[in-house]
Amino acid sequence: KQEVTQIPAALSVPEGENLVLNCSFTDSAIYNLQWFRQDPGKGLTSLLLIQSSQREQTSGRLNASLDKSSGRSTLYIAASQPGDSATYLCAVRRAGKSTFGDGTTLTVKP
Amino acid sequence: DTEVTQTPKHLVMGMTNKKSLKCEQHMGHRAMYWYKQKAKKPPELMFVYSYEKLSINESVPSRFSPECPNSSLLNLHLHALQPEDSALYLCASSQVGGTGEKLFFGSGTQLSVL
Repeated sequence: KQEVTQIPAALSVPEGENLVLNCSFTDSAIYNLQWFRQDPGKGLTSLLLIQSSQREQTSGRLNASLDKSSGRSTLYIAASQPGDSATYLCAVRRAGKSTFGDGTTLTVKP
Repeated sequence: DTEVTQTPKHLVMGMTNKKSLKCEQHMGHRAMYWYKQKAKKPPELMFVYSYEKLSINESVPSRFSPECPNSSLLNLHLHALQPEDSALYLCASSQVGGTGEKLFFGSGTQLSVL
């Protein structure tokens, strides 16, 4: 059974810092890995999707990497802003199902 | 249009009520999903429809009844719910097949069962 772990569970940083969120998974036979952000009481917004054959994806200040062999992905956020404050979830996909980590709650202080 | 639309946004119901949650997408996706999310927890998969047929039921109690009338619509019928069923219910959609399957989520229905 696939297990997904996200570290740290919570992170607080001052505005402007670069930061890294981590996601690890136990079964490397995945189709893709998707990073989401979620604001309280809201739905999930897709940030980046990395297919199994890819190593990284970039969008603006966000960069996500994938190392299938070690079962790890990182989400790098550059020059963090207060508007980045949210919960970030990773999800690994296989056979039509996605397994989510518990998320990292990020607070960016002005 | 890259939106998944869910209605209603909020719902309060008693344990004897019958209500329905609705979800709609016009992205041509042939897979649609219902997830349940409790506070400070990740989404939990409930049901998956693929090409309008139920393909996955994660042992969900029968008081939750999904329905996929066509490729754009997904309903979740609720009957005789318990207070512990109070949660955020999320609908999602995706293409079917391949490593590019990307989940798109709606904004959710916040359900309170009294």
